[in-house]
Amino acid sequence: GQQVMQIPQYQHVQEGEDFTTYCNSSTTLSNIQWYKQRPGGHPVFLIQLVKSGEVKKQKRLTFQFGEAKKNSSLHITATQTTDVGTYFCAVPPMNYGGSQGNLIFGKGTKLSVKP
Amino acid sequence: NAGVTQTPKFQVLKTGQSMTLQCAQDMNHEYMSWYRQDPGMGLRLIHYSVGAGITDQGEVPNGYNVSRSTTEDFPLRLLSAAPSQTSVYFCASSYSGTGGYGYTFGSGTRLTVV
Repeated sequence: GQQVMQIPQYQHVQEGEDFTTYCNSSTTLSNIQWYKQRPGGHPVFLIQLVKSGEVKKQKRLTFQFGEAKKNSSLHITATQTTDVGTYFCAVPPMNYGGSQGNLIFGKGTKLSVKP
Repeated sequence: NAGVTQTPKFQVLKTGQSMTLQCAQDMNHEYMSWYRQDPGMGLRLIHYSVGAGITDQGEVPNGYNVSRSTTEDFPLRLLSAAPSQTSVYFCASSYSGTGGYGYTFGSGTRLTVV
């Protein structure tokens, strides 16, 4: 079935350092979504990328969709303790035909930030 | 708006017992899904629905049943609980359009099967 590889699995940074997580697919993606889950919480939708090479920013977060639409990255500039959590990418299945009723999630990157 | 409401928040079952995890959303979303989350495994799709009366299996459907009689409700039934079903269960819903709408998740049900 459809799988997406997310790396790294864990990342420990000092507050103020940058952080990047990557999501890779063996197949071309129609779109990709990113979510954040705080410890003990539930996933929260951050953004969706659709276009090849698309770059979107949300304050210190930068999201990028690869030119071939097979990979994506989330970069956080100058991490803060509020950034702690697990970041997931999510993609539609291979037979995507307009329905995103069954998103497939990566295993996530768990970010810890040392003050 | 309440968003996605899951009940109960915590549950302990004995092996072999059955139960229903409730999920309700008040956003008129067509799409609803159930995921389970286990350490190191991310979120795995159990069942999903693209509208009332339509359901389909996800990656790990065995041992679970769903139905979608209304747009608002999408209950998940555990037929005969097993320790392997100890997990955190999340219900999520989404608008079906293509405008970049993500899933809204409920706060989860933490299930322990002993």
